[in-house]
Amino acid sequence: NAGVTQTPKFQVLKTGQSMTLQCAQDMNHNSMYWYRQDPGMGLRLIYYSASEGTTDKGEVPNGYNVSRLNKREFSLRLESAAPSQTSVYFCASSLGSSYNEQFFGPGTRLTVL
Amino acid sequence: DQQVKQNSPSLSVQEGRISILNCDYTNSMFDYFLWYKKYPAEGPTFLISISSIKDKNEDGRFTVFLNKSAKHLSLHIVPSQPGDSAVYFCAASGSDYKLSFGAGTTVTVRA
Repeated sequence: NAGVTQTPKFQVLKTGQSMTLQCAQDMNHNSMYWYRQDPGMGLRLIYYSASEGTTDKGEVPNGYNVSRLNKREFSLRLESAAPSQTSVYFCASSLGSSYNEQFFGPGTRLTVL
Repeated sequence: DQQVKQNSPSLSVQEGRISILNCDYTNSMFDYFLWYKKYPAEGPTFLISISSIKDKNEDGRFTVFLNKSAKHLSLHIVPSQPGDSAVYFCAASGSDYKLSFGAGTTVTVRA
């Protein structure tokens, strides 16, 4: 039982390049989330998927797109990376009902030059 | 506008003593509160939670207190151990599944 897995662990991009961050969970959770963590700002929600087939914007969605490929997988795409997107990205999943905790992956450290 | 605030960026405590972490929130619709612990280069891990119908929840060395009228919660760790050195995030949610996180408090437990 791997929980939430993320690939890659590290990535360096040049401004304007694109990439997709992959996330998968094996806990049969309904809801999945993408966060970014920046120094002094905690975790901020980028996009989330309450259930398979649905996606919604979070607090900081600009410059990102997501795809809920199936119940297990939720990817985050940067179409044209900018230095302001340098951050650590975390994927999380939860059962999707009230009063439930989210389980986090190990993170992807992204640097945009 | 940050709806969950942790006003102390860091806390240093001696091993064996109590650590008290504080968190304030502004959204009165929040009804579920969580604490997460994070080590460097790892994802956050769930520590303890409390719903708004309670004012205290205890799990081993960890106790969370909720004061709804003051929109304030705190996490007590007793006794503090070296392995407790980490960043602690307070989080809150309403009925929409989304969590709002505070900026975190770095706890250092001194031997």
